[in-house]
Parts: sequence; C-alpha cells; structure tokens
Amino acid sequence: NAGVTQTPKFQVLKTGQSMTLQCAQDMNHEYMSWYRQDPGMGLRLIHYSVGAGITDQGEVPNGYNVSRSTTEDFPLRLLSAAPSQTSVYFCASSQSGGGTDTQYFGPGTRLTVL
Amino acid sequence: GENVEQHPSTLSVQEGDSAVIKCTYSDSASNYFPWYKQELGKRPQLIIDIRSNVGEKKDQRIAVTLNKTAKHFSLHITETQPEDSAVYFCAASMRGSYIPTFGRGTSLIVHP
Repeated sequence: NAGVTQTPKFQVLKTGQSMTLQCAQDMNHEYMSWYRQDPGMGLRLIHYSVGAGITDQGEVPNGYNVSRSTTEDFPLRLLSAAPSQTSVYFCASSQSGGGTDTQYFGPGTRLTVL
Repeated sequence: GENVEQHPSTLSVQEGDSAVIKCTYSDSASNYFPWYKQELGKRPQLIIDIRSNVGEKKDQRIAVTLNKTAKHFSLHITETQPEDSAVYFCAASMRGSYIPTFGRGTSLIVHP
C-alpha cells in the first residue's frame, strides 16, 4: 500500500492563480481531511469528508473548495490564491472510527503564493 | 466544540533527561487521546494513544497518562535522545466525532 499520497510536493503560485492539490489513499478509508500547518499555529482543519459525496467545512475553509467523487481521492482547490494561503498542506485519512481512529497523513505540499 | 490546549510550545532538554508535554481538553465526553510526532520536513505520525478506560500506557521510553477528572493528559519521554527532537501534537476526540481536535504542538529539542 502506498498509504496517503499528495501531489505536488512543492508549488509556487502568483496571487490570483488557481490550482488543485491532489490527495489519494489506497486504504479504503471513509474519512479524509485537509489541514494547513503554519508556524506556531499547529494543524488547522480546512475541510473534511466522511465518505464519497459528503464534505463539510472545518476551522479555516475560506478560499478553498473540496469535492469527493470517489473513496480514494479528495482534491483541494484554491480558487484565487492569496499570500495568506502560503503554508504547508497535509491531507489525512482514517478508518470508520473517524476521530477515534489513527489519522494517516500524506507527505505534505509546500505552497508559496507570491 | 472540543478545545485542546498544549504546553509548553517549546521544550529544550539535554540528552538523557526526561521530557513532559501536557494537554488539557474541554469536553468531558472525549475518550480518545492520541499523540503524533512530526520530524522536520516530514508528516505527523501516531506514536502512542490512550483511551479513557485506562489511566496510563507505556511503550518503551514513551508513556502517556490521563486524568479524566482534571481533563488533562501528558506525554512522558524518558532518557531522551537527539532523534526525539521533533514537534509533538496531542489530540482529543469522542465517539461519533469525524475528526480529532489537535493541540498547537510542542517543539522538543534534545541537545547532545
């Protein structure tokens, strides 16, 4: 199993550009989530999904969209990138226990918005 | 919703010393408390967890204790080594929750 994979590893955008961060898992996990990590701020939840076709907002959803058409994939879309979105983004997945199961994180995407 | 406070934000110790990181949670219904370790440039990974039906759990040099009455739990690392240097995150969740609530992290630095 590859576990949780994310692409790209690094990305530089200009203000106003859009892009999609990819996340995939091959463990048949129901729950998937996106976090951003900024210095001193810990892991802040952006969006999460409890299954294909079901998504909900987390703590910091503004400026981001998600969809979940399959169990495996959970892409994160930046509609119009802003410098405040410069961060490291982690995707995570877990089994049916959701919050009470181990969270498996992807390797992260380091995004810089100029 | 659940709120998790983690202290200290930075902890510096000498190799061989013990390190203790403390977390408090707000919702008495929380019953699962994992700890994740994130090495520099890497992803967070689970290192130990505890459920509310036990008060302490050990795994070699790492232990976690839970005080349900006071709503706090702690990570204890004994005989620290340079490879223990990392950011440690605590989290709390309850049955039926979709996602755990994370603390802000503690940067542990072990000096050789």
